[in-house]
Amino acid sequence: EVHLLESGGGLVQPGGSLRLSCAASGIILSDYATTWVRQAPGKGLEWVSTISNTGRVTHYADSVKGRFTISRDDSKNTLLLQMNSLKAGDTAIYFCANHINWGFGSWGQGALVTV
Amino acid sequence: QTVVTQEPSFSVSPGGTVTLTCGLTSGSVSTGHYPSWYQHTPGQAPRTLISGTNIRSSGVPNRFSGSVLGNKAALTITGAQADDESDYYCALYMGGGIWLFGGGTKLSVL
Repeated sequence: EVHLLESGGGLVQPGGSLRLSCAASGIILSDYATTWVRQAPGKGLEWVSTISNTGRVTHYADSVKGRFTISRDDSKNTLLLQMNSLKAGDTAIYFCANHINWGFGSWGQGALVTV
Repeated sequence: QTVVTQEPSFSVSPGGTVTLTCGLTSGSVSTGHYPSWYQHTPGQAPRTLISGTNIRSSGVPNRFSGSVLGNKAALTITGAQADDESDYYCALYMGGGIWLFGGGTKLSVL
């Protein structure tokens, strides 16, 4: 069974930084593209960033480009999201998900980031 | 800027059939957008229902089906049940590694 567990969320001042982690079990993350999606309070889901299975290709939503960096630690089977220059508009629950069949597959429970 | 559109809310009677749609403010949705559908109850992990237009995820009942109807993607639920009451989101692949979600549809079963 696939299990994704986010951690690293918390309260941070505007302009501050946080690093989110998504630890995977039941799958090898480097076999899949993986993604971060967020949901701001009272809002819908928003795609944030994707990293390819090779780890060599990354993509970002315009709203986070230049501030957020997605990466992977294959030795720990963990997806990462480094968030810098945080703004109030980044307040959200952040979910990680792997890609399957040209969509998102398994999801984590989410980590709350409050700016 | 292209926006993905969904009905803000919908209601269906228990046992009834409902079709939720997913469109674009500019252009038509095609299978090349690889439309996918997600069920999300706040406080829980989203659940993938359909990916790649019509591929049902493991464990998803066959009363959930995906398609492209006209210029929109569609999620059809046949024989709606009380626990289908939830928020439903579509996502479209826009090319260049970019994905867009719709604003979500709040489905009531009553």
